[in-house]
Amino acid sequence: EAQVTQNPRYLITVTGKKLTVTCSQNMNHEYMSWYRQDPGLGLRQIYYSMNVEVTDKGDVPEGYKVSRKEKRNFPLILESPSPNQTSLYFCASSLEGTPVTQYFGPGTRLTVL
Amino acid sequence: GIQVEQSPPDLILQEGANSTLRCNFSDSVNNLQWFHQNPWGQLINLFYIPSGTKQNGRLSATTVATERYSLLYISSSQTTDSGVYFCAGILNSGGYQKVTFGTGTKLQVIP
Repeated sequence: EAQVTQNPRYLITVTGKKLTVTCSQNMNHEYMSWYRQDPGLGLRQIYYSMNVEVTDKGDVPEGYKVSRKEKRNFPLILESPSPNQTSLYFCASSLEGTPVTQYFGPGTRLTVL
Repeated sequence: GIQVEQSPPDLILQEGANSTLRCNFSDSVNNLQWFHQNPWGQLINLFYIPSGTKQNGRLSATTVATERYSLLYISSSQTTDSGVYFCAGILNSGGYQKVTFGTGTKLQVIP
């Protein structure tokens, strides 16, 4: 089944404790992206990647890191999480190097205490 | 940067009614997409529509790129149409492939 998977789905952590949210797609998609969703603000793009080893900042990259060492995986790293990073996070992928048709993962709900 | 504005923010419909959702976007947007987020949080791609009109069942979308707006039409609404509808503007420029979402239209269809 073609899908985008994220892990974990739910996470409660404390300020400053490094964490990684994984994202994997099995569709051989080139474009991958991370978004955060907050009430009243819609989805905001954090980082995106147009292909392996090619990443760029979205609108809200502060406090986040990403890497794209292989095509299927695009992990989101929070080196020192803070409470303002409490949010719902979505990973998405698209076939070509552009976000023409994005397929979204199920979301990761993160709470930073 | 990209600006994307949606209206109305909230909409309540009786089952069977029709509705039109609007998305205005800035000059820097090259392409546009519509998404539906169902009440369980799942995001589904509806249309990729930089210009023109597309239809998929009871849903259709029209983008008038020269006037910087897009419309999503929902006909004969059903309770399963409930959720939040987002439009997203895409900036394709050289090495950039940025996506900016609007804040959404929350639709509730009541029986």
